[in-house]
Amino acid sequence: QVQLQESGPGLVKPSQTLSLTCTVSGVSMSSGGDYWTWIRQHPGKGLEWIGSSYYTGSTFYSPSLKSRVSISVDTSQNQFSLKLSSVIAADTAVYYCARGRAAAGNFDYWGQGTLVTVSS
Amino acid sequence: DIQMTQSPSSLSASLGDRVTITCRASQGINTYLNWYQQRPGKAPQLLIYAASSLQSGVPSRFSGSGSGTQFTLTINSLQPEDFVTYFCQQSYSTPYTFGQGTKLEIK
Repeated sequence: QVQLQESGPGLVKPSQTLSLTCTVSGVSMSSGGDYWTWIRQHPGKGLEWIGSSYYTGSTFYSPSLKSRVSISVDTSQNQFSLKLSSVIAADTAVYYCARGRAAAGNFDYWGQGTLVTVSS
Repeated sequence: DIQMTQSPSSLSASLGDRVTITCRASQGINTYLNWYQQRPGKAPQLLIYAASSLQSGVPSRFSGSGSGTQFTLTINSLQPEDFVTYFCQQSYSTPYTFGQGTKLEIK
């Protein structure tokens, strides 16, 4: 059974860097065919794709966040990470990690989500 | 970016009803359209992928159709657990984008 679990601070100060890690179990991230993804949801709002990475390290990001975001993969730990720099209050959201299927582009397994609040 | 517009934003229905939710893309996306269900406080769950393929483990009362710019999610014989929020998502091109959601409420 594929499982994903987010971890990281729930509170980040403005202008600092938000850092989250997603631990994947039940599947090897380097098995191919998947891309490892971060998605966020502002309180009471819709879903926003942040970016994705293949296990090779090839990444693609949302243009609206590209200048501030970095996603990296550690296949030895079966984890991938998100870094979002220079955060502001508008970055307050629930952050989800998810597995994307390369063929259809859907997200079939998700973490439970973690709320990150940007506040001083 | 491809804009995804769902309608309606909210929908009232009764147990046992059949409902249809529509998703329109701002440009053609072939059948690169996925549907998710989200319960309050939980992560979205994949229902339908590639416009009409039922994800493993999803009840057969859920079905999807469409191609190009117009898509529908149909739920037959509504059950109590179906009264939650639904999102569409295009996977035709990055940035992947979602519809704003449809909240299904019990009448």
